[in-house]
Amino acid sequence: EVQLVESGGGLVQPGGSLRLSCAASGFTFSSSWMHWVRQAPGKGLVWVSRVDSYGSSTDYADSVKGRFTISRDNAKNTLYLQMNSLRVEDTAVYYCARAHLYSSLSWGQGTLVTVSS
Amino acid sequence: DIQMTQSPSSLSASVGDRVAITCRASQSISNYLNWYQQKPGRAPKLLIYAAFSLQSGVPSRFSGSGSGTDFTLTISSLQPEDFVTYYCQQTYSTPFTFGGGTKVEIK
Repeated sequence: EVQLVESGGGLVQPGGSLRLSCAASGFTFSSSWMHWVRQAPGKGLVWVSRVDSYGSSTDYADSVKGRFTISRDNAKNTLYLQMNSLRVEDTAVYYCARAHLYSSLSWGQGTLVTVSS
Repeated sequence: DIQMTQSPSSLSASVGDRVAITCRASQSISNYLNWYQQKPGRAPKLLIYAAFSLQSGVPSRFSGSGSGTDFTLTISSLQPEDFVTYYCQQTYSTPFTFGGGTKVEIK
């Protein structure tokens, strides 16, 4: 069974940092492109970032570029999102997702990040 | 960036009704369009990929159509579990933008 389990969310002050992890199982992680998508409370879905299967090619939304870094450890079947200089508007549930054909996504259950003083 | 305009933002319907949700891209995206369903408090679930391909395990009452800039998700006969929120997403070019969502409510 395919599983994506996010962790690392929590409460952080503005300007702080947090690292999210996503443990993958049930599929060949090292062959899969991976994404992060977020959803602010009561709002819609917003694509955040993606990384290729090797970890060498990355893309970011403009709103997080220069502050967030996506990475992966294929030996540990784990995806990461390092989030620095966090802002109140980064408050959201963060989902990791596996890309399939046409970059369609299958999702983890999400982890909540709250940025507040 | 490609903008995705989804309409309506909400609709009211009854069990058994046929409903259609549309998504318009600000430029041609070929058929790089996916549809997701999201239940309250849950992660989104893939319904349709590549504009019209039904994801494995998804009921056949869901169908997708369109190409270029205009796309439609159709539910042929609404079931009680279908009264939730739907999103489109373009994956033609990054950032992979989503539509604003359509909440389907019981009339």
